Amino acid sequence: DGGITQSPKYLFRKEGQNVTLSCEQNLNHDAMYWYRQDPGQGLRLIYYSQIVNDFQKGDIAEGYSVSREKKESFPLTVTSAQKNPTAFYLCASSKAGTLYSNQPQHFGDGTRLSIL
Amino acid sequence: DQQVKQNSPSLSVQEGRISILNCDYTNSMFDYFLWYKKYPAEGPTFLISISSIKDKNEDGRFTVFLNKSAKHLSLHIVPSQPGDSAVYFCAASEEEYGNKLVFGAGTILRVKS
Repeated sequence: DGGITQSPKYLFRKEGQNVTLSCEQNLNHDAMYWYRQDPGQGLRLIYYSQIVNDFQKGDIAEGYSVSREKKESFPLTVTSAQKNPTAFYLCASSKAGTLYSNQPQHFGDGTRLSIL
Repeated sequence: DQQVKQNSPSLSVQEGRISILNCDYTNSMFDYFLWYKKYPAEGPTFLISISSIKDKNEDGRFTVFLNKSAKHLSLHIVPSQPGDSAVYFCAASEEEYGNKLVFGAGTILRVKS
């Protein structure tokens, strides 16, 4: 079945550690995204990538880094510089949109990151 | 500054009745709007979208209405079913390729049987 796989589902991090969240899609989508969700809030965009080897900062990129070496993979690293990393992280992908033909984003099931 | 607002944190509806979820936005450059449904510990599921060139889009039990002058959109679910109980997020985009979505805080819908 085609879809977006995020792993692990739960992740624990010690203070000062970097941690990498995995996101893989087999939908042949060009664009991929990372969001963060905090309790009672909507999703906020961290980084996004429209094509391989290219990515842009979203609204809350500080303390995060990404890479897009393959079309199907878009890992997110939460660095020690991120002061409040405890959150639910969601990865999404979409086809490349065209003018007058926007494409919806489709989401994985998320990774919940907690600080020990 | 919240560009997309869902002012009702929760809504309770009887099974078989209509559910109406509302969303307001402040950015007049938004041209693409979406509704997502989310269950706990899962990712959001795309429900329905509408482009700013339309004022209505229908898909089965789900209809989205867009009022550009009021910067308001709504999702109607008719008839509501217990399985519709979830958090509903409104999202909007201003870029022509719809890449950067701005989400509202969500509305919890409870459909009582």
